[in-house]
Amino acid sequence: AQSVAQPEDQVNVAEGNPLTVKCTYSVSGNPYLFWYVQYPNRGLQFLLKYITGDNLVKGSYGFEAEFNKSQTSFHLKKPSALVGDSALYFCAVRDGRDSNYQLIWGAGTKLIIKP
Amino acid sequence: KAGVTQTPRYLIKTRGQQVTLSCSPISGHRSVSWYQQTPGQGLQFLFEYFSETQRNKGNFPGRFSGRQFSNSRSEMNVSTLELGDSALYLCASSGLAGSTYEQYFGPGTRLTVT
Repeated sequence: AQSVAQPEDQVNVAEGNPLTVKCTYSVSGNPYLFWYVQYPNRGLQFLLKYITGDNLVKGSYGFEAEFNKSQTSFHLKKPSALVGDSALYFCAVRDGRDSNYQLIWGAGTKLIIKP
Repeated sequence: KAGVTQTPRYLIKTRGQQVTLSCSPISGHRSVSWYQQTPGQGLQFLFEYFSETQRNKGNFPGRFSGRQFSNSRSEMNVSTLELGDSALYLCASSGLAGSTYEQYFGPGTRLTVT
C-alpha cells in the first residue's frame, strides 16, 4: 500500500536559518513525489515535484527537495528561511506506473519562522 | 489561464440542512477532485470525477455526493449536515505539466455547520 509520513506536526526555525521539512514515503513502483504549500485560508499551491532524473529538485520560492531512494525520503529544504515561509506544507506521492493519478497525502507540517 | 474557482467561498448552514458547493476547473482539465480539510484529520480525499464519471472515491458516507457536467464543472453536495462536516472543502483540477499530471487547487469553500 502507498503511504506518506510527515513525522513532524510542527517545525520552528529562526529567520535566516536553514529549514528542513521531512517526508518519507512507501510506494511499490516508481515514486512521483510532490510538495505543496498552504497559506492561511488559501488552497494548496504546488512547490515542486520529483519524477525522475536529478535527485535534487528545485522549486518555487527558493525551496528544494532531495529524493533519497535508499531512505525513501523526500525532504523539503531551504537554505535561509523567511518569515513569509510560515505555512502548512504537504508532501504527496503516487505510483508512477499507476494510471490512477490520485495522490496520497501526508498529514501536513506546520512551519513557523520566527523573526 | 484562469485558475480553479470555487463558489461560494464561505457558507454557514444549520444541522440537518443540505449544501451544494461548486468548482470550475482550469480550462481543458477534465479531472476534478474534492477534498475535505479539517484541523484534526488533515486532507481527506472525497472523490474524483473525470469526464462526468466518478473515477475514485474516498471513505465518506453517502451523504457526500458529487457530479460533473459536460463542461467539466463539478458540484459537491452534502445532505443532512452534521456539526462534524464543518471544514474547508478544496477542489483540485488535474492537468498535464510536462510529462506528468499535477493538481491545481482552488481557494476552497469554508463550510460552518451550526
